[in-house]
Amino acid sequence: GAGVSQSPSNKVTEKGKDVELRCDPISGHTALYWYRQRLGQGLEFLIYFQGNSAPDKSGLPSDRFSAERTGESVSTLTIQRTQQEDSAVYLCASSFGGRRETQYFGPGTRLLVL
Amino acid sequence: GESVGLHLPTLSVQEGDNSIINCAYSNSASDYFIWYKQESGKGPQFIIDIRSNMDKRQGQRVTVLLNKTVKHLSLQIAATQPGDSAVYFCAENLTGGGNKLTFGTGTQLKVEL
Repeated sequence: GAGVSQSPSNKVTEKGKDVELRCDPISGHTALYWYRQRLGQGLEFLIYFQGNSAPDKSGLPSDRFSAERTGESVSTLTIQRTQQEDSAVYLCASSFGGRRETQYFGPGTRLLVL
Repeated sequence: GESVGLHLPTLSVQEGDNSIINCAYSNSASDYFIWYKQESGKGPQFIIDIRSNMDKRQGQRVTVLLNKTVKHLSLQIAATQPGDSAVYFCAENLTGGGNKLTFGTGTQLKVEL
């Protein structure tokens, strides 16, 4: 399909383990975003990548969270030493580069930390 | 801190009626606002947006109104249908804040047959 895809769709892990979440943006989109959505709440911005510029990491909640993106392709969000409070849906979005360009979201990865 | 919030967590409407979902924002530096629809188990879907130099914008069955004086945003859905049942989020983009969006907590719209 032509939309944003994310994998895995669901992830159950044990406290203390590391997890890696993947996002495939829409082809041609230079900007890629990660958001977190806790149950029954709105989305919290985590990080965004714009082309070759330094990413905006201002939303990452702790140094256990990191993300990478190679060029204008896939991105991975890594959570180290997961905690129960990390349980949430992690949503990826992509857009063309402008500030007011529509962000298109993927279906999310549902992470449960036991 | 600055935030975007919604007045009503749940809104129930009869099929065919009009729906109005409200949103208050507190950051006067926001100049771009977006409404998203999120169905259960899916990612948010763009509905409509509006820039701060406008006070109204219309789409297909949807209208967004922006009142900068009281920092209030609303989404109107005409002739609400069962398929409109979802959680609706408003989001704002701050001037100078880059591309990131700040989302409200959401309103659950339930359409009753």
